[in-house]
Amino acid sequence: KAGVTQTPRYLIKTRGQQVTLSCSPISGHRSVSWYQQTPGQGLQFLFEYFSETQRNKGNFPGRFSGRQFSNSRSEMNVSTLELGDSALYLCASSLGLDSTEAFFGQGTRLTVV
Amino acid sequence: LAKTTQPISMDSYEGQEVNITCSHNNIATNDYITWYQQFPSQGPRFIIQGYKTKVTNEVASLFIPADRKSSTLSLPRVSLSDTAVYYCLAPRNYGQNFVFGPGTRLSVLP
Repeated sequence: KAGVTQTPRYLIKTRGQQVTLSCSPISGHRSVSWYQQTPGQGLQFLFEYFSETQRNKGNFPGRFSGRQFSNSRSEMNVSTLELGDSALYLCASSLGLDSTEAFFGQGTRLTVV
Repeated sequence: LAKTTQPISMDSYEGQEVNITCSHNNIATNDYITWYQQFPSQGPRFIIQGYKTKVTNEVASLFIPADRKSSTLSLPRVSLSDTAVYYCLAPRNYGQNFVFGPGTRLSVLP
């Protein structure tokens, strides 16, 4: 079956702009998590959605937001971009909130200039 | 919430067996231990998962002693393509998120 699909793969934005990233989970998976990965901070948890509701949130400012649709697809949005938002953004899908496995997409490489 | 501790980095040579040990001394009796592998600019990939004793698949083996306070990921006869970061994941309770530590950066040298 198809894996987790993230679009776009690469993105270049200017400071102050906003960006929307998309994630299509594996069919049948209802939980989608988002992570930010930078060389200095490693994998940082952003938020997790299940059944269109945010279930967990990491320690990120309100500029980072997300949502999940009825088909489990998810989007995350970053407003008022800062240079420090440059990172690899990863989406992971799992069956549910008690799943022990998460399946990751290839990520979206965001560069803020 | 269980936490894990693993070495930050390891070096090995091609053809050798590599063992990466992770300490997780606060896991529940029914928790699974899960390991992931990540190549640069790619998402982490599930390698192996175990509950007790030994689990083996086509990629690796996972050894978990009886006290379950640690686990050891064993990669047999590594090649250059095994150079990656390996994460030992703390089990998550219902509703909690997966927590990735810094992982172990394995460098396989020719």
